[in-house]
Amino acid sequence: NAGVTQTPKFQVLKTGQSMTLQCAQDMNHEYMSWYRQDPGMGLRLIHYSVGAGITDQGEVPNGYNVSRSTTEDFPLRLLSAAPSQTSVYFCASSYEAGRTEAFFGQGTRLTVV
Amino acid sequence: GESVGLHLPTLSVQEGDNSIINCAYSNSASDYFIWYKQESGKGPQFIIDIRSNMDKRQGQRVTVLLNKTVKHLSLQIAATQPGDSAVYFCAERGSQGNLIFGKGTKLSVKP
Repeated sequence: NAGVTQTPKFQVLKTGQSMTLQCAQDMNHEYMSWYRQDPGMGLRLIHYSVGAGITDQGEVPNGYNVSRSTTEDFPLRLLSAAPSQTSVYFCASSYEAGRTEAFFGQGTRLTVV
Repeated sequence: GESVGLHLPTLSVQEGDNSIINCAYSNSASDYFIWYKQESGKGPQFIIDIRSNMDKRQGQRVTVLLNKTVKHLSLQIAATQPGDSAVYFCAERGSQGNLIFGKGTKLSVKP
């Protein structure tokens, strides 16, 4: 099993550009989530999904969209990139939301200039 | 509100010694806690978890202790090795099924 796969690993965007961060898992987990990690801030929840067709907002959702058309994929879209979105983004999946460990991808380091 | 914090931002230990990383949480209703290890440039990696109906849980070289009276969680690493050098995060279950992370403790192991 590959686990949780994120692409790309690195990305540089100009302010105002849009892009999609990809996330796929092969563990048949229903629960998937996106976090951002900033220095001194730990990981903060952006959006999450409890199953295909269901998404909801987390702690810091502004400027991001998600969709969940399949169990395996959970892409994160930046609508109009801003320097404040410079961060490391992690996708995670778990078998049971908040009751079993979450498996994390390797992260996407995004820089917005 | 829900929050998870750590007592120490950095911890330096000698190789072979035991390490103890502490964590405080604020939500007395939290029922699931987890420790992650994050190496530079990598995603968080699961170490061990514990549910609120337990006080202690042991893994390979690691032990998690939960003190619900004072809302305190600790991770003990026995015979710390250079490969244990990383940032360690504690997390608790949030109301959205997510994990609420603390800011992390950087563990440095001196040879």
